[in-house]
Amino acid sequence: NAGVTQTPKFRILKIGQSMTLQCTQDMNHNYMYWYRQDPGMGLKLIYYSVGAGITDKGEVPNGYNVSRSTTEDFPLRLELAAPSQTSVYFCASTNTAQETQYFGPGTRLLVL
Amino acid sequence: GNSVTQMEGPVTLSEEAFLTINCTYTATGYPSLFWYVQYPGEGLQLLLKATKADDKGSNKGFEATYRKETTSFHLEKGSVQVSDSAVYFCAVANAGGTSYGKLTFGQGTILTVHP
Repeated sequence: NAGVTQTPKFRILKIGQSMTLQCTQDMNHNYMYWYRQDPGMGLKLIYYSVGAGITDKGEVPNGYNVSRSTTEDFPLRLELAAPSQTSVYFCASTNTAQETQYFGPGTRLLVL
Repeated sequence: GNSVTQMEGPVTLSEEAFLTINCTYTATGYPSLFWYVQYPGEGLQLLLKATKADDKGSNKGFEATYRKETTSFHLEKGSVQVSDSAVYFCAVANAGGTSYGKLTFGQGTILTVHP
């Protein structure tokens, strides 16, 4: 049982490039989330999903897109990378509301 | 919406010192409250949680009590160790039927424990 896995661990992008951050969970959780963590700040919710085929915006969705074609996978897409998207990105999942979220190890993204 | 205010850091302590990290929240309804810990280079992991007023969450010597009257969930440990050095996040779960498990996090408190 690997829990929540994320790839890549680290990536450098040039302004305007695009990339997909991968997230997979093997706990059969319905709810999945993408957060970004900026230095000295808490986590901000980017997008979330309550099941395959259902996604919704969080607090800071601009510049990102998501999809959820399966229960296990929840990729995050950056279409036109900007320096403001330099951050650490965490994926998380849980089975029910008000319960513990399980986090992946994070992806560190640097946009230059 | 919900909000969480944490004690500003960083906090530096000597081994075996007493730790308190303050956390207050604003939320509607009766949300669950959490403390997460992030060790260097890792993702967040649950430290403890409480789901209703006056509940005490505890784990690894850490404790926090859900105080609805003061909307607080302060983290305490009687004797810290070097291995407790990490970033600690307080979080509140959005209550209500459309919450979908979303969490609101505080800004995090960096704890460094010296031998």
